Amino acid sequence: EVQLVESGGGLVKPGSSLKLSCVASGFTFSSYGMHWIRQAPKKGLEWIALIYYDSSNKYYADSVKGRFTISRDNSKNTLYLEMNSLRSEDTAMYYCAKAAFAYWGQGTLVTVSS
Amino acid sequence: DIQMTQSPSSLPASLGDRVTITCRASQDIGNYLRWFQQKPGKSPRLMIYGATNLAAGVPSRFSGSRSGSDYSLTISSLESEDMADYYCLQSKESPFTFGAGTKLELK
Repeated sequence: EVQLVESGGGLVKPGSSLKLSCVASGFTFSSYGMHWIRQAPKKGLEWIALIYYDSSNKYYADSVKGRFTISRDNSKNTLYLEMNSLRSEDTAMYYCAKAAFAYWGQGTLVTVSS
Repeated sequence: DIQMTQSPSSLPASLGDRVTITCRASQDIGNYLRWFQQKPGKSPRLMIYGATNLAAGVPSRFSGSRSGSDYSLTISSLESEDMADYYCLQSKESPFTFGAGTKLELK
């Protein structure tokens, strides 16, 4: 059974940093690209980043480019999202999803507030 | 960036109704179009991929279609469990973009 479990969310102040993790199981993690998607409270879904299976390519939404970094450790079956210079508008539930979006984690909540 | 214009934003409907939600792509996306269902407090669920293909476990009353740059999700006979938010997503090119969403609710 495919499982994706996010962690690392929390309450942080504007301008600070946070690193999210997504631990994968039930499939060969090293063979699939992975995404991060977020959803602000009461708002729609926003795709924010993609990393290829071998980390050879990474893509970002304009809203996070230069502040967020997607990475992965295939030896640990773990996907990461390093978030810097956080703003109030980054407040959202953050989901990881497997390549074709058929599997999603339960999400981890990031709140940016002073 | 490719824009996905989704309509309507809200859709009141009755049980048994046939309902259709549409997304229009600002550029050619071929069939790189997915539909998701999201219920309150839950993660999104993939319903349709490749514009017209039913995802695993999705009831056959759901279907997807394409006419030019317009993509539609249709529920042939609405059931209570279908009340949810629905989103389209284009995955033709980065940045991938979602439609703004449609809230399907009981009339």
